[in-house]
Amino acid sequence: DVKVTQSSRYLVKRTGEKVFLECVQDMDHENMFWYRQDPGLGLRLIYFSYDVKMKEKGDIPEGYSVSREKKERFSLILESASTNQTSMYLCAISSRRRGRTDTQYFGPGTRLTVL
Amino acid sequence: SQKIEQNSEALNIQEGKTATLTCNYTNYSPAYLQWYRQDPGRGPVFLLLIRENEKEKRKERLKVTFDTTLKQSLFHITASQPADSATYLCALNTSGTYKYIFGTGTRLKVLA
Repeated sequence: DVKVTQSSRYLVKRTGEKVFLECVQDMDHENMFWYRQDPGLGLRLIYFSYDVKMKEKGDIPEGYSVSREKKERFSLILESASTNQTSMYLCAISSRRRGRTDTQYFGPGTRLTVL
Repeated sequence: SQKIEQNSEALNIQEGKTATLTCNYTNYSPAYLQWYRQDPGRGPVFLLLIRENEKEKRKERLKVTFDTTLKQSLFHITASQPADSATYLCALNTSGTYKYIFGTGTRLKVLA
């Protein structure tokens, strides 16, 4: 069974705090993704990483940064949390094996509230 | 602009009937299209994938069709059950990229 874990299910932070969300996988997959999900807007890609220390901006990277020092771990950082970053954050992984079509496996999500 | 749309925000059907969900896209040439199920407060779970050169795919009570001319995918659940109630998301991926584009989802409710 594929296992993607996220550090917290629920998180409450104050405006201006630095927030770390961590995602860990046990599948040795190359690609890791961070999305946020808001009602009516669907899943929006924040950042993704296709290898250790490699990252690419998604559609809404402003206010976020990421870190991937080890293959199994991908962290999302909110440098200075703001109320408009209140959302459900989802981590996903996929494989980049040649000739294979990739499905995404998602973590359980972190519901972040910024007060 | 590029867009992926799913029909209606919510769909209610009677138990035992076939649920049909629609995913339309514009300005993409997807290599394949995927369907996911998402329960409240949970991450999406992969259900089915269909490639651009495939017309139809089945898995148990699920069936997906893909019409690249109409730029549309249909997702069917036959003999629907209350346990099928969830939000269903379609996602497409174009070849040569790692990115997935998701629709906003259709919330299905199967009434007993």
